[in-house]
Amino acid sequence: GAGVSQTPSNKVTEKGKYVELRCDPISGHTALYWYRQSLGQGPEFLIYFQGTGAADDSGLPNDRFFAVRPEGSVSTLKIQRTERGDSAVYLCASRGAGELFFGEGSRLTVL
Amino acid sequence: DAKTTQPPSMDCAEGRAANLPCNHSTISGNEYVYWYRQIHSQGPQYIIHGLKNNETNEMASLIITEDRKSSTLILPHATLRDTAVYYCIVRGGNSGNTPLVFGKGTRLSVIA
Repeated sequence: GAGVSQTPSNKVTEKGKYVELRCDPISGHTALYWYRQSLGQGPEFLIYFQGTGAADDSGLPNDRFFAVRPEGSVSTLKIQRTERGDSAVYLCASRGAGELFFGEGSRLTVL
Repeated sequence: DAKTTQPPSMDCAEGRAANLPCNHSTISGNEYVYWYRQIHSQGPQYIIHGLKNNETNEMASLIITEDRKSSTLILPHATLRDTAVYYCIVRGGNSGNTPLVFGKGTRLSVIA
């Protein structure tokens, strides 16, 4: 596709449930990033992939959060046992040789 | 990467130039200044970046002081569509694909 695609655009779930958020990066971009953004704050780094491997996962808040990119393209961010504090917009970005291109984000609401 | 300081908010009249300042007094010699913006309900969008020379593209101009401790992003003729949060980020030129670190940015409101 022409840009970074994220699905779903909105997800409402209940506390304790499992959630998956998907990111389809720009074709050919080897680096892929996940950020989380709470209201009134700038995006907060979570994890980035270089190809299939996680090059830096230092931003993941705890072991309930996990991300994969098995074929070096699409990535999935997985959140187990969701908590109300996980409510945020989750942004994905990809980078080829130039600058970061962001998707529109997935808004997660945990009730 | 060096930290940046930006005012939390600014207003600008439509059609006038918007000048957004950024302080980065601890910037080191190989660090670039990047600007991104985020329009409401969208992901951040790259605007421009520079090392020490002033830069201009179709979106904006970037003016970096001679000592590189501060910079200004200039939108020459602001429109209502330029209302957004603008982020100034400093990042090493040899950082490869290491992630950008965002602060809170400056919320620019363009007023008709």
